Amino acid sequence: AQSVTQLGSHVSVSEGALVLLRCNYSSSVPPYLFWYVQYPNQGLQLLLKYTSAATLVKGINGFEAEFKKSETSFHLTKPSAHMSDAAEYFCAVSFFSGTYKYIFGTGTRLKVLA
Amino acid sequence: EAGVAQSPRYKIIEKRQSVAFWCNPISGHATLYWYQQILGQGPKLLIQFQNNGVVDDSQLPKDRFSAERLKGVDSTLKIQPAKLEDSAVYLCASSLSGYPEAFFGQGTRLTVV
Repeated sequence: AQSVTQLGSHVSVSEGALVLLRCNYSSSVPPYLFWYVQYPNQGLQLLLKYTSAATLVKGINGFEAEFKKSETSFHLTKPSAHMSDAAEYFCAVSFFSGTYKYIFGTGTRLKVLA
Repeated sequence: EAGVAQSPRYKIIEKRQSVAFWCNPISGHATLYWYQQILGQGPKLLIQFQNNGVVDDSQLPKDRFSAERLKGVDSTLKIQPAKLEDSAVYLCASSLSGYPEAFFGQGTRLTVV
């Protein structure tokens, strides 16, 4: 069965430090992968997506992610954290099973320390 | 292009009352999803429509939740009667048929007291 696992429900980094949020997936068919950010009391905002083109994907706000099939991973990174990056981040996988299914990980709350 | 529209944005009801949420997907999107997002958790799929037919409602609590998508365009999700544990954000999303990316509305925040 297809699934998404986000390691670390809470991650804290210092301002200016590297951000690394982990996402691993399980899929028996080629997956499409997404990262979303959610600020308090707001909807989901798409950060970036992998749709079988380049494996290194660049998104908004300086974030990027690399699709590694051998490791079944799609980790999100940002070289230098900013206070405004504090939010909840969700990894999602879309896969074809008659129609496209769309499932989410449990989320990682990022805290940025001054 | 207009995005996915949801209403209301916020709703507070007492337990055992009923409530309904409305979603208007992006024009031309045949696939429509309803998700429940409990505070501190990831969105969980409740029901998925393809046009006006249900393709997945395996996680929909059918004793109290119902959804319809008449004419294959907008959709309503109803809860009757509501329980305290139904407090959550209800997200609607839509996608083009055969396309893997879904587009999300702002959600409806339900508080059951």
